[in-house]
Amino acid sequence: AQSVTQLDSQVPVFEEAPVELRCNYSSSVSVYLFWYVQYPNQGLQLLLKYLSGSTLVKGINGFEAEFNKSQTSFHLRKPSVHISDTAEYFCAVRGYSSASKIIFGSGTRLSIRP
Amino acid sequence: DAGVIQSPRHEVTEMGQEVTLRCKPISGHDYLFWYRQTMMRGLELLIYFNNNVPIDDSGMPEDRFSAKMPNASFSTLKIQPSEPRDSAVYFCASSLAGDRGMYEQYFGPGTRLTVT
Repeated sequence: AQSVTQLDSQVPVFEEAPVELRCNYSSSVSVYLFWYVQYPNQGLQLLLKYLSGSTLVKGINGFEAEFNKSQTSFHLRKPSVHISDTAEYFCAVRGYSSASKIIFGSGTRLSIRP
Repeated sequence: DAGVIQSPRHEVTEMGQEVTLRCKPISGHDYLFWYRQTMMRGLELLIYFNNNVPIDDSGMPEDRFSAKMPNASFSTLKIQPSEPRDSAVYFCASSLAGDRGMYEQYFGPGTRLTVT
């Protein structure tokens, strides 16, 4: 079975500052990893995903994440945030098995200060 | 594609009433999921279907909750009778199936349910 931990429930940053949202996972098998974003009053939408290959994954809106197998982490980063990035961000993990389902973290609320 | 469609977007009902939430997944998707989101409990998976068959309903909180998927383009989540603690945003999501199971999920806009 898999589990995912998002270490920060809230992250406040100033506009144009860099940000990192942390995600660690636990699994006894190889995994797929995802980051989703939820804007206020909307459903979740996929930001980026890691399936295989390069450990640095680029997503929409200037976000990127790096898969670190040794540290079982998949942290999300953006070099310069904008007010429009204010949202809740969910990390998710899924095992390679065809029977595996996607497990979501508890979410990190990113608030941008002008 | 129009994406995952949910109706209604908002539902206000009185305790004890039956509530039916509806979902139309993305055409061609093999999996359909129902989630509930609250401030206290976050995002919870209630049930999911593969090719219209329920695979895992371990997240359904009580017998008051039931879900059906009569065909590939429609699913319902029913609560009967509803209680104030059922107040939440309910999301439907769908995904394709690949060689190794489900791929990323696409979420609908959600139904905000308020039970008074």
